[in-house]
Amino acid sequence: GAVVSQHPSWVICKSGTSVKIECRSLDFQATTMFWYRQFPKQSLMLMATSNEGSKATYEQGVEKDKFLINHASLTLSTLTVTSAHPEDSSFYICSAANRVYQPQHFGDGTRLSIL
Amino acid sequence: DAKTTQPTSMDCAEGRAANLPCNHSTISGNEYVYWYRQIHSQGPQYIIHGLKNNETNEMASLIITEDRKSSTLILPHATLRDTAVYYCIVRGTGNQFYFGTGTSLTVIP
Repeated sequence: GAVVSQHPSWVICKSGTSVKIECRSLDFQATTMFWYRQFPKQSLMLMATSNEGSKATYEQGVEKDKFLINHASLTLSTLTVTSAHPEDSSFYICSAANRVYQPQHFGDGTRLSIL
Repeated sequence: DAKTTQPTSMDCAEGRAANLPCNHSTISGNEYVYWYRQIHSQGPQYIIHGLKNNETNEMASLIITEDRKSSTLILPHATLRDTAVYYCIVRGTGNQFYFGTGTSLTVIP
């Protein structure tokens, strides 16, 4: 149980394009979903927290107009990297939790490469 | 939000118990401690969590000190597949996880 699916797992695109990453909780309803990014040999950095039906809360230093988050249902959240540039290349990981105090369950991540 | 401190790296012989320490001296009374591990290029995998009592599941045991300022994750019989980065996390007030640097565990044949 508690499976989180992330898609795509790997994407390469040209600078200036927008990229959408999907995060789905397959066997539970996720009241809260989280988005992280991770650079090589570094730890995960929390980008934003999203609750179903409400606006996402972004961590300090994360541009909300650059990283658009939509959490339209209890099983789906999307992260759109708008007008992506090479410095946005990173490993993006989502997680989901169905209630407070319960563990977060993570997807397998999306490796984004901007040329 | 509480911060955690872990050793940067550890080695463990295959078949032996791996004991991974974590300090969380600023933890508050209702904050849980969670342990995850990350194998290269994958998302973190949940291992175990606890509040104040010791916990055990099929993967590991979690020992939390009485003052709750530190904890130890125990992998009873480490295998090569347990080589990973292990993160000790104290949940934030909004259910957020703020990852520290973790411990890179290498299991040696």
